Amino acid sequence: EVQLVESGGGLIQPGGSLRLSCAVSGFTVWNNYMTWIRHPPGKGLEWVSVVFSRGDRFYADSVKGRFTISRDRSENTLYLDLTSLTAGDTAVYYCATSPGTGYWGRGTQVTVSS
Amino acid sequence: DIQMTQSPSTISASIGDRVTIACRASQSIDRWLAWYQHKPGKAPKVLIYEASKLGGGVPSRFSGSGSGTEFTLTISSLQPDDFATYYCQRYNGHSETFGQGTKVEV
Repeated sequence: EVQLVESGGGLIQPGGSLRLSCAVSGFTVWNNYMTWIRHPPGKGLEWVSVVFSRGDRFYADSVKGRFTISRDRSENTLYLDLTSLTAGDTAVYYCATSPGTGYWGRGTQVTVSS
Repeated sequence: DIQMTQSPSTISASIGDRVTIACRASQSIDRWLAWYQHKPGKAPKVLIYEASKLGGGVPSRFSGSGSGTEFTLTISSLQPDDFATYYCQRYNGHSETFGQGTKVEV
């Protein structure tokens, strides 16, 4: 059974940083497409970042230069480092595999507020 | 960046209705389009990938069609469990944009 479990969210002040983790079992993170998607309150789904099987990484314009996606082969874990956070980054953050495989975590809440 | 535009933003429907949601890409995305169902407090669920392939465990009343810039999600006979918000998403590219969503309500 494939499971994705996000962690690392919480309440953070504007300008702060967080590291989100997505621990995966039953599926190999290292050589597969993995993505982060967020759902801000009262808004639609927003794509954040993707890492392709060969390692290419891409980011939404709204997070480019502030967020970094990475993965750890030994831990089979996907990460998202968030820096220079603003209220606009408040959302539930999900990790997911490609739509073809269709696995999602349950999400972790990030709240940016003073 | 490629923009994804969904229509309509809201659909009022009844059980048994045939429901159609449209998604338009600002430039060709071949068949790299997915459809998701999202309910409050839950993770989104993949319904369709590569424009027309049914996701795992998805009922056959859901279908997708299209290629290039015009895509459609169809629910052939709306069931009580189908009231939700639906999103299209362009993927497998440098910017994997979602449409703005279509809420299917009673």
